[in-house]
Amino acid sequence: GQNIDQPTEMTATEGAIVQINCTYQTSGFNGLFWYQQHAGEAPTFLSYNVLDGLEEKGRFSSFLSRSKGYSYLLLKELQMKDSASYLCAVRDLGNSGYSTLTFGKGTMLLVSP
Amino acid sequence: EPEVTQTPSHQVTQMGQEVILRCVPISNHLYFYWYRQILGQKVEFLVSFYNNEISEKSEIFDDQFSVERPDGSNFTLKIRSTKLEDSAMYFCASTEQETQYFGPGTRLLVL
Repeated sequence: GQNIDQPTEMTATEGAIVQINCTYQTSGFNGLFWYQQHAGEAPTFLSYNVLDGLEEKGRFSSFLSRSKGYSYLLLKELQMKDSASYLCAVRDLGNSGYSTLTFGKGTMLLVSP
Repeated sequence: EPEVTQTPSHQVTQMGQEVILRCVPISNHLYFYWYRQILGQKVEFLVSFYNNEISEKSEIFDDQFSVERPDGSNFTLKIRSTKLEDSAMYFCASTEQETQYFGPGTRLLVL
């Protein structure tokens, strides 16, 4: 099976930087994704890492260390609209060789003025 | 920008009734998925579909569930006899290669 851990809640102030960590344990790792989910809405794709290192996309960056089973999502220049749940999801090769996506419980980020 | 669409946005049904949730994946995508999210809980994988057949399914996806691609555009999830615990948000997703793009979801309420 898979185990994905991320903090339940985080708070930060507008303009600041926040780092959301994710640790995982999986047997057939095939990539890690970060999604943003506002309440009552669908997850929206933020970033994808399959190799070790940092991927930067505007105000968002994501880091992966496969040997440590660790990733983080870095959000810079926080805005009020960044208040949302951030979902770490691991892609794993299933028994039939096709990929499945397993989500963590999400980290609720609250950005205050 | 192409999007995954889902209908209906909300569905209320009586326990024991059958429901069909509909999805139109992004047109050039080949892999399709259904997920559910019970209120306040994490997103859970149900089933993946490729080349007109199920490629993976989770323990949640029991005999009460089925999926179908009845034509070239729609992808449906059927729940044959709904239970109270089936109340959740159901998301369809599709992908061409790596990234899965999610539809807006159908909120199912079983009474």
